[in-house]
Amino acid sequence: GQSLEQPSEVTAVEGAIVQINCTYQTSGFYGLSWYQQHDGGAPTFLSYNALDGLEETGRFSSFLSRSDSYGYLLLQELQMKDSASYFCAAYSGGYQKVTFGIGTKLQVIP
Amino acid sequence: NAGVTQTPKFQVLKTGQSMTLQCAQDMNHNSMYWYRQDPGMGLRLIYYSASEGTTDKGEVPNGYNVSRLNKREFSLRLESAAPSQTSVYFCASSDRTGASPLHFGNGTRLTVT
Repeated sequence: GQSLEQPSEVTAVEGAIVQINCTYQTSGFYGLSWYQQHDGGAPTFLSYNALDGLEETGRFSSFLSRSDSYGYLLLQELQMKDSASYFCAAYSGGYQKVTFGIGTKLQVIP
Repeated sequence: NAGVTQTPKFQVLKTGQSMTLQCAQDMNHNSMYWYRQDPGMGLRLIYYSASEGTTDKGEVPNGYNVSRLNKREFSLRLESAAPSQTSVYFCASSDRTGASPLHFGNGTRLTVT
């Protein structure tokens, strides 16, 4: 089966750093990705980790530990526009099946 | 490029009615997906199609059927709509080379009364 767990809500201050964690139980796991979704919009891709370690893309970084079935998304220099929901998603079945967590709603406050 | 196009954007059905949600992509992607999104439930995979001519069940396939009409189009059919199928439906596509990003359509907001 597939299951991903992440916190439902996080609040952080503008300019700060926030980490959103994701633990997964996925058979045939290939990798973990992260998506951002603003209210009323469609999810958009942020990052992907196939191997253990940190991947950096501008202000966003993502980390994966396969041995711990754990990953996180790190957002630095938070901006008000970063207020959105963030989803971790697991790839399995030869990259064909993509299963999402319930999402973490991030609120950035002044 | 239009990307992934979903129609309709909004739909209201009565219990027992049927309808088909249409999805088309112009990125020559191999894989296509249907998700539903409900408050507090995240995105749940209904069906996916790894390539033209193949479809597979996701997490919540009951009450739905799909057709991969060709490489561009992947439709989702509700044969007898139920209030529990009130949701926002997203179609997505990806290039099947490694873990390619999913590109999402803008969603269809479906209400079943």
